[in-house]
Amino acid sequence: AQSVSQHNHHVILSEAASLELGCNYSYGGTVNLFWYVQYPGQHLQLLLKYFSGDPLVKGIKGFEAEFIKSKFSFNLRKPSVQWSDTAEYFCAVNPTSGNTGKLIFGQGTTLQVKP
Amino acid sequence: DGGITQSPKYLFRKEGQNVTLSCEQNLNHDAMYWYRQDPGQGLRLIYYSQIVNDFQKGDIAEGYSVSREKKESFPLTVTSAQKNPTAFYLCASSYGQYGNQPQHFGDGTRLSIL
Repeated sequence: AQSVSQHNHHVILSEAASLELGCNYSYGGTVNLFWYVQYPGQHLQLLLKYFSGDPLVKGIKGFEAEFIKSKFSFNLRKPSVQWSDTAEYFCAVNPTSGNTGKLIFGQGTTLQVKP
Repeated sequence: DGGITQSPKYLFRKEGQNVTLSCEQNLNHDAMYWYRQDPGQGLRLIYYSQIVNDFQKGDIAEGYSVSREKKESFPLTVTSAQKNPTAFYLCASSYGQYGNQPQHFGDGTRLSIL
């Protein structure tokens, strides 16, 4: 079965620390890749996406992610986190072979940034 | 402003009762989705609809039903057959029927059992 795995369930960082959240998926075909973020009390929103082209994609608020096809990975990074980055982060994969917009989500990573 | 409206925000269900969660979007999106969010499990797809009058089962459709009579609306009914309905339910929509468009999410409905 297709699945998405986020390695870190709960991450605690101090402000200005660097962030990397892991995401791996199990699907051998072409995929569209997403990172979504859910800030406390807010709805889920898109952080960044990858469809094709440059495997290093930049999103909002200084986040970026790198697609490594050989490793089936799409890790999220930020050089210096802020307290306002405290949120839950979800990696999601859309296998294109199904010709649908179905997303398979990872379990989510809760990021807590200490001021 | 365009967006997705889910109602109610909180819902309580009695044993043996069916309840319906509302989802309306004014984004003119073709596709709509229902997800269930449980702690530590991420979001799991219940049902999705790519066009009006058509919908497909997701990964955890048992105990749920949907309809898509209008482009703007995609209500979800949690039936009495769903034995563990307590969860946070999220509705989403996307432009186009395929996965190369990001999904937009509503604020969710939290369902609890009385």
